[in-house]
Amino acid sequence: GQNIDQPTEMTATEGAIVQINCTYQTSGFNGLFWYQQHAGEAPTFLSYNVLDGLEEKGRFSSFLSRSKGYSYLLLKELQMKDSASYLCAVTFLGFSSGSARQLTFGSGTQLTVLP
Amino acid sequence: GAVVSQHPSWVICKSGTSVKIECRSLDFQATTMFWYRQFPKQSLMLMATSNEGSKATYEQGVEKDKFLINHASLTLSTLTVTSAHPEDSSFYICSARPSATGYNQPQHFAQPQHFGDGTRLSIL
Repeated sequence: GQNIDQPTEMTATEGAIVQINCTYQTSGFNGLFWYQQHAGEAPTFLSYNVLDGLEEKGRFSSFLSRSKGYSYLLLKELQMKDSASYLCAVTFLGFSSGSARQLTFGSGTQLTVLP
Repeated sequence: GAVVSQHPSWVICKSGTSVKIECRSLDFQATTMFWYRQFPKQSLMLMATSNEGSKATYEQGVEKDKFLINHASLTLSTLTVTSAHPEDSSFYICSARPSATGYNQPQHFAQPQHFGDGTRLSIL
């Protein structure tokens, strides 16, 4: 199966650090993406992990453990504008579409940053 | 950076109307584009994979005859919602991944999908 689980909602305070977890059960795992989506807008790319370890990009970092089927997105020095939905998405070998490498999305984690 | 343009951004029309949505990759070529649908407070659900020069691949439960997809060039895919009804009201989003060299190689998989701004479709 391709179950991708992440918490529905999280709340944090401005300036704090928050970690959003994502677990997945998928065969043919090829890579994991994190996207940010503000209400009514399209998702924007944040990070990509294919090997175990931590990828750092400014205030955002993403970690992957392939053996555990686990990833997290770490947001540091939270700002009000970080309030958004964070989507964990996994690529897998889509047999019906050949090598298209479809993305399967989790349900998203709605993060609210409080002042 | 890679830009995907989606048009129109907002449509309101009567039941029974057909609506065409365009998705263009502005500064890169995309042999494959994806069409998603998103209901309020839910995640993106893949509807179909659009392949340039060939038929689209539809996900289970998506009606091919209702959601017509055409990918006539490396930079344009269109989704036509035929005879739309109120239950088709949703947020439709397209995405495209740059066609990197070494197709099927790791650098291709690392290319993220870039999303259009979405089309909010409301059927009265």
